[in-house]
Amino acid sequence: QVQLQESGPGLVKPSETLSLTCTVSGASISPYYWTWLRQPPGKELQWIGCIYFSGNTNYNPSLKSRVSISVDTSKNQFSLKLRSVTAADAAVYYCARGSSVVVTGGAAFDIWSQGTMVTVSS
Amino acid sequence: DIQMTQSPSSVSASVGDRVTITCRASQGISSWLAWYQQKPGIAPKLLIYTASNLQSGVPSRFSGSGSGTDFTLTISSLQPEDFATYFCQHAKSFPYTFGQGTRLEIK
Repeated sequence: QVQLQESGPGLVKPSETLSLTCTVSGASISPYYWTWLRQPPGKELQWIGCIYFSGNTNYNPSLKSRVSISVDTSKNQFSLKLRSVTAADAAVYYCARGSSVVVTGGAAFDIWSQGTMVTVSS
Repeated sequence: DIQMTQSPSSVSASVGDRVTITCRASQGISSWLAWYQQKPGIAPKLLIYTASNLQSGVPSRFSGSGSGTDFTLTISSLQPEDFATYFCQHAKSFPYTFGQGTRLEIK
């Protein structure tokens, strides 16, 4: 059974960097796309970006200047860094697996983490 | 970005009812559409991918149709566990975007 588990602080100060790691168990990182998404309270989901197991990335243009996603195949993990956070970045953050191995980005998301609430406050 | 608009934003129905939810894309997305179910405090669950393909393990009372800009999710006979929020997501190009969600409530 494939499972995704996020780890990282649930509280980040304004202007600092949000860092989350997603550990994949029950499956290999390869050959999938791995994605970060977020959902502000009461709002719709937002796609942050994705990374292929090889390390190729795609980011949401609205966040591209502040975001980076990396992968560590040896640990079966991928990570998110979001710099210079503000209150607008407070949300439940999810990591997810792309369901297609042939479509760039994975098309849909078949496995999700449980989600972690990140609050931005001093 | 491609905008995804769902209707209605909420719907009340009874167990056994047939319910249809609509998702419209601001431009053509071929069949690059997925549907998800989300319950409070729980991660979304993939129901349908590429507009009409049922994800493994999802009951057959769920079905999807459409292509281009207009899509529907139909639940043929509502069960108690189906009361949740449903949303669509396109995968035509980056950035992927989601609809605002349709809340399905018990009448």
